Amino acid sequence: AQSVAQPEDQVNVAEGNPLTVKCTYSVSGNPYLFWYVQYPNRGLQFLLKYITGDNLVKGSYGFEAEFNKSQTSFHLKKPSALVSDSALYFCAVRASRNTGGFKTIFGAGTRLFVKA
Amino acid sequence: DAGITQSPRYKITETGRQVTLMCHQTWSHSYMFWYRQDLGHGLRLIYYSAAADITDKGEVSDGYVVSRSKTENFPLTLESATRSQTSVYFCASSEVLAGGPGANVLTFGAGSRLTVL
Repeated sequence: AQSVAQPEDQVNVAEGNPLTVKCTYSVSGNPYLFWYVQYPNRGLQFLLKYITGDNLVKGSYGFEAEFNKSQTSFHLKKPSALVSDSALYFCAVRASRNTGGFKTIFGAGTRLFVKA
Repeated sequence: DAGITQSPRYKITETGRQVTLMCHQTWSHSYMFWYRQDLGHGLRLIYYSAAADITDKGEVSDGYVVSRSKTENFPLTLESATRSQTSVYFCASSEVLAGGPGANVLTFGAGSRLTVL
């Protein structure tokens, strides 16, 4: 069965400092991995994805994530946090097409708070 | 306008009543999903659909029914609402393409906030 774990309910970081939001996953076969962001009173927006290829993927707003197959992790990172990055971040996983899946499962979310 | 729309945005109902949440997308995406968002649980998948007349259960499907007679519509029905179904419901759609930036990405509606008294 697919599952996603986001071990931190909240991450606090000072503006200008690097940030990391952690995600580990479980899925049969090769994973498709995603990060989404939800700003207050807004819907969810796509940030970035890993399907295949380079383990380091870059996405919107300066975010990037590193796929680590041996650790089954897909941590979200940004070199320099902004106050406007404060939001709720979700990691998601689905099975690859050749294993027949397109069901996308989300983690519980991590609230990022960036202090000025 | 192109996009994915949910209605109603807000709904208050009573225990035992039937409620239908509507979802309409204009992209002709094959895949559609219903999630509920609850504090501490994140987003949990209720039902998903690969195409018209093809639906499947997600993680928390008990008490919910879906249909997909047309590609663009994916209504979610609570047959007899319970207080535990008080939540924010999100519909999403996705297209599985051979490649490209939009492949496999879920696009979400604005959400429907349901309160069951």
